[in-house]
Amino acid sequence: AQSVTQLGSHVSVSEGALVLLRCNYSSSVPPYLFWYVQYPNQGLQLLLKYTTGATLVKGINGFEAEFKKSETSFHLTKPSAHMSDAAEYFCAVINSGGSNYKLTFGKGTLLTVNP
Amino acid sequence: EAQVTQNPRYLITVTGKKLTVTCSQNMNHEYMSWYRQDPGLGLRQIYYSMNVEVTDKGDVPEGYKVSRKEKRNFPLILESPSPNQTSLYFCASSFAGAFNQPQHFGDGTRLSIL
Repeated sequence: AQSVTQLGSHVSVSEGALVLLRCNYSSSVPPYLFWYVQYPNQGLQLLLKYTTGATLVKGINGFEAEFKKSETSFHLTKPSAHMSDAAEYFCAVINSGGSNYKLTFGKGTLLTVNP
Repeated sequence: EAQVTQNPRYLITVTGKKLTVTCSQNMNHEYMSWYRQDPGLGLRQIYYSMNVEVTDKGDVPEGYKVSRKEKRNFPLILESPSPNQTSLYFCASSFAGAFNQPQHFGDGTRLSIL
């Protein structure tokens, strides 16, 4: 069975500082990995995804993530935090060997950006 | 505009009173799914549908029903709601046929069962 662990349920950074949100996964087959962002009272919006190919993936709003198979990680980074980045972030994996396109989510990381 | 629309957005009701949360998508997606989001637990899948008249249980289906009579609609039915079904619910949709297809989410329905 696949699973996703997000280290840190709450991360606080200063505006302009590096954002690093950690995600580790377990999967018995090659995974497809996603990061979603949830703003208050809104649904989930796709930030970026890794399927195959280049392991460094760039997404919207200046975010990027690197797939590291040896570390089973898919950490999300942004060089310089902006106030508008404050939201909850979810890492998710799809089991490419299954018959259901179910996303298995981590428990989420709430990002706070301080002025 | 491509979107997944859920109604209602908020509902407070009482134990045992049947309710339906509607979900509609305008992207001609084959795959649709329902998740519930609870604090500290993330999102968990309730039911999914691979196409019209094809539905199956997710990880937490107890107490829920779904139907898929039309491609665009995937309602979630709570026949006899209980307080443990108080949660934030999301509908999602995507094209089928490839696991790398991004899923589109509705804005959520917050249910409170008293």
